[in-house]
Amino acid sequence: DAGVTQSPTHLIKTRGQQVTLRCSPKSGHDTVSWYQQALGQGPQFIFQYYEEEERQRGNFPDRFSGHQYPNYSSELNVNALLLGDSALYLCASSLVATNEKLFFGSGTQLSVL
Amino acid sequence: ILNVEQSPQSLHVQEGDSTNFTCSFPSSNFYALHWYRWETAKSPEALFVMTLNGDEKKKGRISATLNTKEGYSYLYIKGSQPEDSATYLCAPHGDKLIFGTGTRLQVFP
Repeated sequence: DAGVTQSPTHLIKTRGQQVTLRCSPKSGHDTVSWYQQALGQGPQFIFQYYEEEERQRGNFPDRFSGHQYPNYSSELNVNALLLGDSALYLCASSLVATNEKLFFGSGTQLSVL
Repeated sequence: ILNVEQSPQSLHVQEGDSTNFTCSFPSSNFYALHWYRWETAKSPEALFVMTLNGDEKKKGRISATLNTKEGYSYLYIKGSQPEDSATYLCAPHGDKLIFGTGTRLQVFP
């Protein structure tokens, strides 16, 4: 039973570029959440996808967008990259029920130069 | 917007010591409280999900309690071992799951 997989593991981009990060949820899970982990902070909630729609959103600008496919996999897109977008991006999957624990992927380390 | 506070920020203990951490959160609009362990170079791993006031959960040497009325949760580790070294994150679930900054625990042999 594959857990949550994320790709790529590392990525280097320059300011102004666009990036797409990918996530495949744990088998049987229908909900995908994305988090940004900057140094010294806890994971910051970006948004959550369920039934191919954005269900919840954190305090992130519109440059951050996402998508969920019918097979529940998800993408995180960031446009017009800023230096401050450098962080570890974590994907977590769960069942839609509120009290279900999250299963995390290993993350994508994004560096913006 | 939830304001989640965890203390202490970091903790260094000797093998065999028992320790505890605190997670404080606004008690309104609350559904559940999650605890996660995040070891270096690994993914965060769920320890507990608690929902009821007075709830207590245990997993081996690790246990947690929840007070939803006053908005806090304690995580206890009995007889710490080097493999317990990790960052421990709490996350109250209101309309969103919001993480604290974590408590970084280092256990020295």
